[in-house]
Amino acid sequence: EAQVTQNPRYLITVTGKKLTVTCSQNMNHEYMSWYRQDPGLGLRQIYYSMNVEVTDKGDVPEGYKVSRKEKRNFPLILESPSPNQTSLYFCASFSGRALSFYNEQFFGPGTRLTVL
Amino acid sequence: QKEVEQDPGPLSVPEGAIVSLNCTYSNSAFQYFMWYRQYSRKGPELLMYTYSSGNKEDGRFTAQVDKSSKYISLFIRDSQPSDSATYLCAAFVGFQKLVFGTGTRLLVSP
Repeated sequence: EAQVTQNPRYLITVTGKKLTVTCSQNMNHEYMSWYRQDPGLGLRQIYYSMNVEVTDKGDVPEGYKVSRKEKRNFPLILESPSPNQTSLYFCASFSGRALSFYNEQFFGPGTRLTVL
Repeated sequence: QKEVEQDPGPLSVPEGAIVSLNCTYSNSAFQYFMWYRQYSRKGPELLMYTYSSGNKEDGRFTAQVDKSSKYISLFIRDSQPSDSATYLCAAFVGFQKLVFGTGTRLLVSP
């Protein structure tokens, strides 16, 4: 079954304590991306990756890091979390093939992060 | 100004009604337009996408893009209670930035 998995699903942490949210896909997709979803603001892109070792900033990259060392994994790293990073985070995986890029998209189940 | 604007709703309709969901966008470089459905506590799922201007139909759903007015629409025919969800429009430039609207919450009552 094609899927995007995220861990953890829920996390409560404190300001400044480094954390990593993992994202993994089993579809051999080239393109992966991270979004945060906040009330009234919708989904905003944090970072995206078009392939292994290729990453770029989205609209709200401040305070986040990513890495893409393997095709299937795209972890989101918060080096020093702050309360304004409390949000619902989604990882997504898209096929990199031109003909299927726009109809082969999968989002993970979300990670609800609270930073106290 | 947000690059993709969407009325947050909620939009309440009776079962069987035709639903019209709309977005506007400001960036002329957007080429691909998507509609997603998001149920509560779930990730978005892609419903449809269109390229440039025109219509695309899939079952009860029709997506429409008018690039001259920068207007994106999704029509749902014969709406069902199971269609109750938040609908997100999004626009894409190439393989890069994906920009979402804030989402419209739809409630279809039996």
